[in-house]
Amino acid sequence: KQEVTQIPAALSVPEGENLVLNCSFTDSAIYNLQWFRQDPGKGLTSLLLIQSSQREQTSGRLNASLDKSSGRSTLYIAASQPGDSATYLCAVLYGNNRLAFGKGNQVVVIP
Amino acid sequence: DAGVTQSPTHLIKTRGQQVTLRCSPKSGHDTVSWYQQALGQGPQFIFQYYEEEERQRGNFPDRFSGHQFPNYSSELNVNALLLGDSALYLCASSLRRAYNEQFFGPGTRLTVL
Repeated sequence: KQEVTQIPAALSVPEGENLVLNCSFTDSAIYNLQWFRQDPGKGLTSLLLIQSSQREQTSGRLNASLDKSSGRSTLYIAASQPGDSATYLCAVLYGNNRLAFGKGNQVVVIP
Repeated sequence: DAGVTQSPTHLIKTRGQQVTLRCSPKSGHDTVSWYQQALGQGPQFIFQYYEEEERQRGNFPDRFSGHQFPNYSSELNVNALLLGDSALYLCASSLRRAYNEQFFGPGTRLTVL
């Protein structure tokens, strides 16, 4: 079964601290992994896409790593800001071309 | 370049009614997938359409059906609504021939009373 787990479910950090969000998946036969941001009641905004052959991707203050063999990905957000408060979802794409999602990390950045 | 669009934004129905949600994919995309997101949960895959046919289906009952039109837009239909169908319904578009990034629309919030 293709399960995706995100830990912790919720966290609060002071402004300026670095955020570390973890994602694990049970089936390592992935095509790619995407990190999304979701604001309350809104749709999903794609942050980073890592292909299965890649180890990491970077965009501005965001960096995502992928260790396919151990079934893990980590999203790092440097120097967090209150505007980073949101739910972050990890999703894995398998050969059946459907995304399997975790439940998300709910983040609050305290000014 | 317009992204993925969905309509309506919000919808309120009563149990037993039927509902139709609509999605227009990102320009150039030919594949549309639908997801259901209950409150506090991650999105769950409902089904996927490509070349106007349902290609993949998740663990959802037959009350959930869909359609894809020649212009690649898609509809999600839910019959005999249950309270448990209340959720955010998300549409994602992508290119079929490559396992590439999926782009999501803003979603339709369905409330069943």
